[in-house]
Amino acid sequence: DTGVSQDPRHKITKRGQNVTFRCDPISEHNRLYWYRQTLGQGPEFLTYFQNEAQLEKSRLLSDRFSAERPKGSFSTLEIQRTEQGDSAMYLCASSANSGGAGSKNIQYFGAGTRLSVL
Amino acid sequence: AQTVTQSQPEMSVQEAETVTLSCTYDTSENNYYLFWYKQPPSRQMILVIRQEAYKQQNATENRFSVNFQKAAKSFSLKISDSQLGDTAMYFCAFRSTGANNLFFGTGTRLTVIP
Repeated sequence: DTGVSQDPRHKITKRGQNVTFRCDPISEHNRLYWYRQTLGQGPEFLTYFQNEAQLEKSRLLSDRFSAERPKGSFSTLEIQRTEQGDSAMYLCASSANSGGAGSKNIQYFGAGTRLSVL
Repeated sequence: AQTVTQSQPEMSVQEAETVTLSCTYDTSENNYYLFWYKQPPSRQMILVIRQEAYKQQNATENRFSVNFQKAAKSFSLKISDSQLGDTAMYFCAFRSTGANNLFFGTGTRLTVIP
């Protein structure tokens, strides 16, 4: 078990380009979360998957953002037509299924993908 | 909506001394969970300690302990015998029972001085 893995660690792109990030959760975890962290702020929730189903989306997830988890394992987060305001650290977390959102639902975080939009 | 406030943007402590980081939160719920996460520079965020709101006993994990005051909606983190490896951003986080997402504060940057 190597923990939550995110790729790439850094991404620099020009405004208007599309970018895609990947997250590989801890292998036995069926819950997966995406957060965004801007400079000087704490992480903000974007979206949540249980297995392959996307069950919750924040209003921060505009229509330029799409997340998938096709086989219930790894997940991708795509940002289309990037804007400078998208520059941030994108964090992925995973947790085990405790049968509900109970106390065992501890979220383990990856190191993040830092996006810079020029 | 839940909010988490960390009023200390930066703190420093001498190695081997004790430091307390503050966190307050606002919620109308009775059952919830509180967490302290540590984010070292350029490294992933790791869980330091967690507290269930229905438990009156304060959580402890080795050198880390919390002072949970439910009525005051306060959840401070005490680090004893501070070590250089404790240098990091510390985030307080809240999660409602039955919810999936965490609400984070803005963080406190802690520097341990040799």
